Amino acid sequence: ETGVTQTPRHLVMGMTNKKSLKCEQHLGHNAMYWYKQSAKKPLELMFVYNFKEQTENNSVPSRFSPECPNSSHLFLHLHTLQPEDSALYLCASSRLGTDTQYFGPGTRLTVL
Amino acid sequence: GENVEQHPSTLSVQEGDSAVIKCTYSDSASNYFPWYKQELGKRPQLIIDIRSNVGEKKDQRIAVTLNKTAKHFSLHITETQPEDSAVYFCAARAGYGNYGGSQGNLIFGKGTKLSVKP
Repeated sequence: ETGVTQTPRHLVMGMTNKKSLKCEQHLGHNAMYWYKQSAKKPLELMFVYNFKEQTENNSVPSRFSPECPNSSHLFLHLHTLQPEDSALYLCASSRLGTDTQYFGPGTRLTVL
Repeated sequence: GENVEQHPSTLSVQEGDSAVIKCTYSDSASNYFPWYKQELGKRPQLIIDIRSNVGEKKDQRIAVTLNKTAKHFSLHITETQPEDSAVYFCAARAGYGNYGGSQGNLIFGKGTKLSVKP
């Protein structure tokens, strides 16, 4: 499936590194989401963007910084992460006025 | 806010048997309930969903039932096959979002790992 793509697929970083995750959707959607998926925990919504405007910040620490330059692209900038931030980060998109969210393949992040 | 509980956390069935996964939600205003399937190493994919104006929905071997009064909904898989093995997530949409209509945020359950033994 190529509707929602994410890069990189795997990322290992130290606690002092700065890195960025990228998400791109080719579905003509206008809402995009970042989720965190940790073992044995529910999918946690982090950020929501509607028409490039952030509409939700689910009490996410400032070491995670989202950016949405247009409706097709979403970034998650990472800085000074902690080992407990290691998880699968999933991007999703949807069309406003519809219910279905389409997920990307995720970035498996490991913080050393 | 909305809270979604999902049970069981693991489920093992024999090929051909039925599997049932149950979820409860707390927000009576929730009106949309999707189910996602996530195979190992792959992305979650929507397999079926139901809205609060419907009590049951079927799609081939998969069905979802909703009891609004009791605030619970269930996924039923009949004639299970090994390829049904995956983690299944339920979700509930916590009311309406900023644009009205159908753009509230999804709250997910913790997932059920289903294993279908041949």
